[in-house]
Amino acid sequence: GAVVSQHPSWVICKSGTSVKIECRSLDFQATTMFWYRQFPKQSLMLMATSNEGSKATYEQGVEKDKFLINHASLTLSTLTVTSAHPEDSSFYICSASQSSFSYNEQFFGPGTRLTVL
Amino acid sequence: AQSVTQPDIHITVSEGASLELRCNYSYGATPYLFWYVQSPGQGLQLLLKYFSGDTLVQGIKGFEAEFKRSQSSFNLRKPSVHWSDAAEYFCAVGQNTGTASKLTFGTGTRLQVTL
Repeated sequence: GAVVSQHPSWVICKSGTSVKIECRSLDFQATTMFWYRQFPKQSLMLMATSNEGSKATYEQGVEKDKFLINHASLTLSTLTVTSAHPEDSSFYICSASQSSFSYNEQFFGPGTRLTVL
Repeated sequence: AQSVTQPDIHITVSEGASLELRCNYSYGATPYLFWYVQSPGQGLQLLLKYFSGDTLVQGIKGFEAEFKRSQSSFNLRKPSVHWSDAAEYFCAVGQNTGTASKLTFGTGTRLQVTL
C-alpha cells in the first residue's frame, strides 16, 4: 500500500519558537494532503486541506497565521507551528490522497508528537 | 454538519470471541463511511469503506461492516478476535463539498484483547 512518512516523529521545543513538521508521500503523488490534530483520548480534528501548488483551506477556528501549511510538491507538505505555546502541544497527523474527493482513500502518516515547554 | 458517534470508549474481549464496534453517523446525503485502525507508532490504516451498493462490506484482517441507513449505523464486526487486533478503532464519514473533501472522525473505541 501507499506509504506516508512524517518527520520528526516527536519534537520538544521552547515556548515562542517555531516548529516545522514534514509529511511525505513516498511512493505516490499526493494531489491533496490533509493535516489533523489529535488530543489525548480524542478524535482526529481536521485542521486544513492543501492541494499542491495552491493555498491551504483551513477549518473554522484554525489560525492560519499560526499553522502555516505549504504543499510545494506532489510528495511533500509541511506544517509550521509558529510561536508555539504549551496549548499547541498535541499529536499532529497528516494524510495524503491522490484526489480531493472523499471516496479516494487517504493514507495516513504515523504522526508527530509536539510538546511545547 | 456531519457527525460520527462511537458510543463505546473502551471494549475488552477475549481472544477468539466475536467483536462488534458501534458507529452512528449524522449526514444529510448518502455518506461515504470508513473504518480505520490506529496502532501505536503507526498511521491510521483503512480497514474498509462503504460508498454504495452492497450494504455488507468486507475489509482487511477479517473485518466486515454493515451499513444500515434506517439506523444511521455502520457497525464493525469480526467473528473471532486475535490478540493483534488490540488497537484504537475510528469510524469516519466523508463529505465532498465540490472543491474539497473532509473526513469527520468519531472519538474512537479502544479495543483490548485478553488472552
